[in-house]
Amino acid sequence: DTGVSQDPRHKITKRGQNVTFRCDPISEHNRLYWYRQTLGQGPEFLTYFQNEAQLEKSRLLSDRFSAERPKGSFSTLEIQRTEQGDSAMYLCASSLQGSNSPLHFGNGTRLTVT
Amino acid sequence: DQQVKQNSPSLSVQEGRISILNCDYTNSMFDYFLWYKKYPAEGPTFLISISSIKDKNEDGRFTVFLNKSAKHLSLHIVPSQPGDSAVYFCAASPGVGSNYKLTFGKGTLLTVNP
Repeated sequence: DTGVSQDPRHKITKRGQNVTFRCDPISEHNRLYWYRQTLGQGPEFLTYFQNEAQLEKSRLLSDRFSAERPKGSFSTLEIQRTEQGDSAMYLCASSLQGSNSPLHFGNGTRLTVT
Repeated sequence: DQQVKQNSPSLSVQEGRISILNCDYTNSMFDYFLWYKKYPAEGPTFLISISSIKDKNEDGRFTVFLNKSAKHLSLHIVPSQPGDSAVYFCAASPGVGSNYKLTFGKGTLLTVNP
């Protein structure tokens, strides 16, 4: 069990640029989640996948955000035309399917939009 | 509208004493509750959980208590150790099997002094 891996750990970009983050879940986990955490707040749910199907998206996920999990393994989160308000820690988590299986989080990607 | 509230931003205790972290929620649909611990530059780590059909769950030094009528839960750590120093997040989810969509509190920074 190598844990949930996220890449990159840090990303600094200029406003208006596109960025893409990658998440590799724990291998036997079929559920994958994206959360966002801003300073002084707890993580906020963005979206989740069961295998390759994206089953729910938060209204926090504007049209500029898109997440994919094409083969039911790794996932990408893309933000287009970044804004300063997108600066946050983006956390990926995975879990087994089943009632109340705890989420295992990665160490996150910290995005800074200048 | 914060549905999960951790009203104490910080807590300081002496090594060996009990740490009590509190959490209140407002959404009556929540029926599964979790505590996560977070060290700087790492993602949240699952600590302990409790279902609404229970009022107590214990795992080693960690015990979570749930008072449904008061919509209140607490995490007890005894004895506290310096390595327990971290931010603790309370989280809740609605409905059995809906653990993907956790609502987190803002966290409480616990400092355990040697």
